[in-house]
Amino acid sequence: EDQVTQSPEALRLQEGESSSLNCSYTVSGLRGLFWYRQDPGKGPEFLFTLYSAGEEKEKERLKATLTKKESFLHITAPKPEDSATYLCAVWGTQGGSEKLVFGKGTKLTVNP
Amino acid sequence: EAGVAQSPRYKIIEKRQSVAFWCNPISGHATLYWYQQILGQGPKLLIQFQNNGVVDDSQLPKDRFSAERLKGVDSTLKIQPAKLEDSAVYLCASSLVNYEQYFGPGTRLTVT
Repeated sequence: EDQVTQSPEALRLQEGESSSLNCSYTVSGLRGLFWYRQDPGKGPEFLFTLYSAGEEKEKERLKATLTKKESFLHITAPKPEDSATYLCAVWGTQGGSEKLVFGKGTKLTVNP
Repeated sequence: EAGVAQSPRYKIIEKRQSVAFWCNPISGHATLYWYQQILGQGPKLLIQFQNNGVVDDSQLPKDRFSAERLKGVDSTLKIQPAKLEDSAVYLCASSLVNYEQYFGPGTRLTVT
């Protein structure tokens, strides 16, 4: 069973069309939830850390929020340069030990 | 500030051959990680070092994979012998704060 599920797998938006990406998780004892951006052929780039439900972080057109079961990455008025794969990673307790687990990512394409 | 350095960037080997990857983390980052990322998947943690010591190697296939971090700085990851299913991108990351990781560009390994 996947511990971190991201949806949708792929999303196409027009420039300026706001939307949200979802990351749901089943790990217990959440220690932190991380969002990364990955461009083709590159390593992931750190965006945000969220530690507790209700927390929000913002950076330019991106805003990340966290509840007890999921996180959203809201993209406001996206531009073509926001096109990338967005990865969610969850740090929590699973099977008695702490683990960091990545989701499969959401591939975002923003058309001009 | 220099980022995480990795070499080589690309490697093609035949199955049953050996291969080694090198990583130089960001200066001052005590924690170093090696990940395997298969196309279309999120990164999978292979091994995590805190200075010289191993924190987590539960997902490292120890019959063929080995890693070391001498003097708490550079690290090498070795595969011996390689299998077709080892074809992937191998990412190195380092962090100062809990799992807020900075990734290198990765090494793309193709096993034929």
